[in-house]
Amino acid sequence: GAGVSQSPSNKVTEKGKDVELRCDPISGHTALYWYRQRLGQGLEFLIYFQGNSAPDKSGLPSDRFSAERTGESVSTLTIQRTQQEDSAVYLCASSNPGLEDETQYFGPGTRLLVL
Amino acid sequence: AQTVTQSQPEMSVQEAETVTLSCTYDTSENNYYLFWYKQPPSRQMILVIRQEAYKQQNATENRFSVNFQKAAKSFSLKISDSQLGDTAMYFCALSVDSNYQLIWGAGTKLIIKP
Repeated sequence: GAGVSQSPSNKVTEKGKDVELRCDPISGHTALYWYRQRLGQGLEFLIYFQGNSAPDKSGLPSDRFSAERTGESVSTLTIQRTQQEDSAVYLCASSNPGLEDETQYFGPGTRLLVL
Repeated sequence: AQTVTQSQPEMSVQEAETVTLSCTYDTSENNYYLFWYKQPPSRQMILVIRQEAYKQQNATENRFSVNFQKAAKSFSLKISDSQLGDTAMYFCALSVDSNYQLIWGAGTKLIIKP
């Protein structure tokens, strides 16, 4: 596609439920990133995928958070047993490292509200 | 460790005025990239401008330009002829060659008044 897409755009869930967020990166981009943005704050790195390398999970806040990526395409971020503190916008970005352009291009985000 | 600091939490200017947003950073790396991203209320994070550290010439994109002072580790964004659509959060970010992670500033909320 022309840009990074994410779904759903909004998600309301009850505390304790599991949620799955999806990201479709720009075609051909080998790197994919997940970020969390709490209200009024900057971006918090969660996880990074690059090609077939092992992902960098160093930003995941707890073992309730996990992410997968199929090859160099779609990624899903799963939050198990959601807590109210998980309420935030979850942003996905992709890039093509190794070229001169190191720019990360962002999707529109998924706004998650945990009641 | 890398850090990015934006010291202006909020700014407001009249439409058509020029405004400058400040950003300072710290890194011991020689090769790095600096970015300004814009996040309007729609929450889409949009790249405004980027600067490679090895380039001395300041980057320019239409009404947006940067003042990159490498020795001072300063990377300010100038918006000329500001428009209502420029109202947004502006984030400064740093990427170093040895680490793919973007280091983000806390953001500056810019309000353009009619």
